[in-house]
Amino acid sequence: DGGITQSPKYLFRKEGQNVTLSCEQNLNHDAMYWYRQDPGQGLRLIYYSQIVNDFQKGDIAEGYSVSREKKESFPLTVTSAQKNPTAFYLCASVPGGNQPQHFGDGTRLSIL
Amino acid sequence: KQEVTQIPAALSVPEGENLVLNCSFTDSAIYNLQWFRQDPGKGLTSLLLIQSSQREQTSGRLNASLDKSSGRSTLYIAASQPGDSATYLCAVLFSGGSNYKLTFGKGTLLTVNP
Repeated sequence: DGGITQSPKYLFRKEGQNVTLSCEQNLNHDAMYWYRQDPGQGLRLIYYSQIVNDFQKGDIAEGYSVSREKKESFPLTVTSAQKNPTAFYLCASVPGGNQPQHFGDGTRLSIL
Repeated sequence: KQEVTQIPAALSVPEGENLVLNCSFTDSAIYNLQWFRQDPGKGLTSLLLIQSSQREQTSGRLNASLDKSSGRSTLYIAASQPGDSATYLCAVLFSGGSNYKLTFGKGTLLTVNP
């Protein structure tokens, strides 16, 4: 079945450590997104990519980095500069134009 | 600033009741509006997408309407069931910015009691 796979489902970060969240899609979608969801805050956009080898900052990009070397993959690195990383992270993709976004099942990141 | 607001934040109804969830947005220049469902600890599932030229969309017991001039959308759920319990999010694709950047409301937590 086509879809978006996020891994791991749960992730724990130590102080000063960088961690990478995986997002893979087999939907052949051009655009991919990373969102952060905090209780009572809704979804906030971290980074997005409309084509391979190109990406743009969203509303809360500080402390995060991404790459888009392949169409299918859009990994997110939470760096040690992100002082409050505990949240639920969601990856999404869209084929383009006025189409619905498809979401993965998310990764919950916590601090040890 | 382009914003999306959902009221109420939480709603509890008895099984079988018809209900309406509300979404308002600050700028009438939009490409589309989407309604999503989110179950606890899960990602979002797209329910309905209304293009800016449309007034409503229907899928089964769900009906979503769009009034751009007033900046409002409603999601109507008929004959609610306990399985409808979830958080419902409204998201707007505003014109003028990135063609793919959605702005989300904070959601309405719906509980349908048996």
